[in-house]
Amino acid sequence: NAGVTQTPKFQVLKTGQSMTLQCAQDMNHNSMYWYRQDPGMGLRLIYYSASEGTTDKGEVPNGYNVSRLNKREFSLRLESAAPSQTSVYFCASSEQWLAGGEQFFGPGTRLTVL
Amino acid sequence: RKEVEQDPGPFNVPEGATVAFNCTYSNSASQSFFWYRQDCRKEPKLLMSVYSSGNEDGRFTAQLNRASQYISLLIRDSKLSDSATYLCVVNPRTGNQFYFGTGTSLTVIP
Repeated sequence: NAGVTQTPKFQVLKTGQSMTLQCAQDMNHNSMYWYRQDPGMGLRLIYYSASEGTTDKGEVPNGYNVSRLNKREFSLRLESAAPSQTSVYFCASSEQWLAGGEQFFGPGTRLTVL
Repeated sequence: RKEVEQDPGPFNVPEGATVAFNCTYSNSASQSFFWYRQDCRKEPKLLMSVYSSGNEDGRFTAQLNRASQYISLLIRDSKLSDSATYLCVVNPRTGNQFYFGTGTSLTVIP
């Protein structure tokens, strides 16, 4: 099992460009999440999908959109990138939302917006 | 006020030392608590869950103090491989997300 995979690993964008971060998990988990991690801020939830077919905003959703393509895949889209979106983005999955269980993280995408 | 607060450190300790980290949380209704470990430029990974009665996993002991709203992590006989950032995670269950602390940096020195 690969666990949670993310692509790309690194990306540099210019202000105003768009891109989609891809995430897939092979653990048959119901819930998936997108976080960003910034120095001194900890991990902050951008969007989550409690189950296939549902998505909801987290703590910092502005400037992002998501798609739960199927049970395995959950993508994050930046429509018009801004320098404030420079961050490390982690996708995660867990068996059930609100079950209090372990979250499994992907290796992250390091995004720089110039 | 932040949902979860941690002392960022850094904690620099010699091999074999015992070190303890604390983490406070603001929501008294919080139900689930965890410690995650994050190595430099890597993803967070679960170290251990924290149970009400406290729990131990080898050299690691986690405690929960609901009255004072904090959890702790004790590492005994520190190894060089313990060098990492330790993240406190709280699931309040009343909201829609887990809350992560900013992490405590530990370096174990030979």
